[in-house]
Amino acid sequence: GAVVSQHPSRVICKSGTSVKIECRSLDFQATTMFWYRQFPKQSLMLMATSNEGSKATYEQGVEKDKFLINHASLTLSTLTVTSAHPEDSSFYICSARLPGRSSGELFFGEGSRLTVL
Amino acid sequence: SQQGEEDPQALSIQEGENATMNCSYKTSINNLQWYRQNSGRGLVHLILIRSNEREKHSGRLRVTLDTSKKSSSLLITASRAADTASYFCATDEETSGSRLTFGEGTQLTVNP
Repeated sequence: GAVVSQHPSRVICKSGTSVKIECRSLDFQATTMFWYRQFPKQSLMLMATSNEGSKATYEQGVEKDKFLINHASLTLSTLTVTSAHPEDSSFYICSARLPGRSSGELFFGEGSRLTVL
Repeated sequence: SQQGEEDPQALSIQEGENATMNCSYKTSINNLQWYRQNSGRGLVHLILIRSNEREKHSGRLRVTLDTSKKSSSLLITASRAADTASYFCATDEETSGSRLTFGEGTQLTVNP
């Protein structure tokens, strides 16, 4: 099956710093990737849709300047949490579909747990 | 906002018993999917059922879909301790493009 790798799995940073999370599709090319945020014991909240070679599409209420998304290649999307604050602490998960599949299953990374002190 | 509402929020059963989880949604869909998440990990796709399908099986999993009631159920038969996880339904809405909307999830605990 398709594999999505996410790195780092855990990161702790100080308030005010920026943190970059990488999401890679290892054995397929992903023109679109999705970034989700998940609070403890809660569901996944879609933050943005990352499109290769173009700007990301953000969901309502998600700050574009706070959560920078770059999808520079067909196998890599990055999420940068800028000027992180404790309220940004959360579990961030990326996902992707196989090429040519506008609907169908998503393949998820293992998630990145961010703790902002 | 989340479209799917899952019921129950938490379910605790003994090994060997069956587990049934329900999901309701509000809009027209292309398909409905079920995912599993072990604690602190990513999600794993279990099964997809299209809007024109009523029932689907995969191993010990059975999924039903009632588009008139906008609801789905996931049945896990002969449960095992390893089935302990959170289970989420996700809808591919007709008007949402390629995005999936996830339900609130059911935390299943299977006691040995």
